Amino acid sequence: GAVVSQHPSRVICKSGTSVKIECRSLDFQATTMFWYRQFPKQSLMLMATSNEGSKATYEQGVEKDKFLINHASLTLSTLTVTSAHPEDSSFYICSATRGPGQPYQPQHFGDGTRLSIL
Amino acid sequence: RKEVEQDPGPFNVPEGATVAFNCTYSNSASQSFFWYRQDCRKEPKLLMSVYSSGNEDGRFTAQLNRASQYISLLIRDSKLSDSATYLCVTPSLSGTYKYIFGTGTRLKVLA
Repeated sequence: GAVVSQHPSRVICKSGTSVKIECRSLDFQATTMFWYRQFPKQSLMLMATSNEGSKATYEQGVEKDKFLINHASLTLSTLTVTSAHPEDSSFYICSATRGPGQPYQPQHFGDGTRLSIL
Repeated sequence: RKEVEQDPGPFNVPEGATVAFNCTYSNSASQSFFWYRQDCRKEPKLLMSVYSSGNEDGRFTAQLNRASQYISLLIRDSKLSDSATYLCVTPSLSGTYKYIFGTGTRLKVLA
């Protein structure tokens, strides 16, 4: 199956720190990558859609200046949580796809990053 | 009505049992479906993709019923390691490229 690598897997840092998370598609070209957040015992919540070479599309309620997304190549997207605070503590997961088009292909998820802000 | 609905469970079944759960969808034009399993504090892992009437992979069978707008996942000979949350996912047909998730069905296989 397709392999998506996410790094780091775990981050613990002080309030006010900015944290960068990388999502890499290792064996296919990912035209689109998605960034999700998941709180304990809740469903995945889509934060933003990242398309290679263009600006990310953010879901309603997600601050674009807080969560900076860059998708500079077909194999790498990054999410930077700027000036993180304890309420940003969550499980962040990326997924990669080859892009829209019939038939739709599944998205492949990275391992996730558990972020804890003290 | 939610676009994708699942019974949250939990479904508690003994080892070796056969268990099935359904996922209903509201948009009759939906054509692609994906089943994922998600273990606690882990990322979702793709189980299978369904584009036509169904799909089978070992002990797992997915069946799509377009008339009634649901897709089922059947697990035969349940193993303890099958305990997880099973997510039903379909692409959004709203014009924006994204995927719609069901809330997931929690399965516990008991020894």
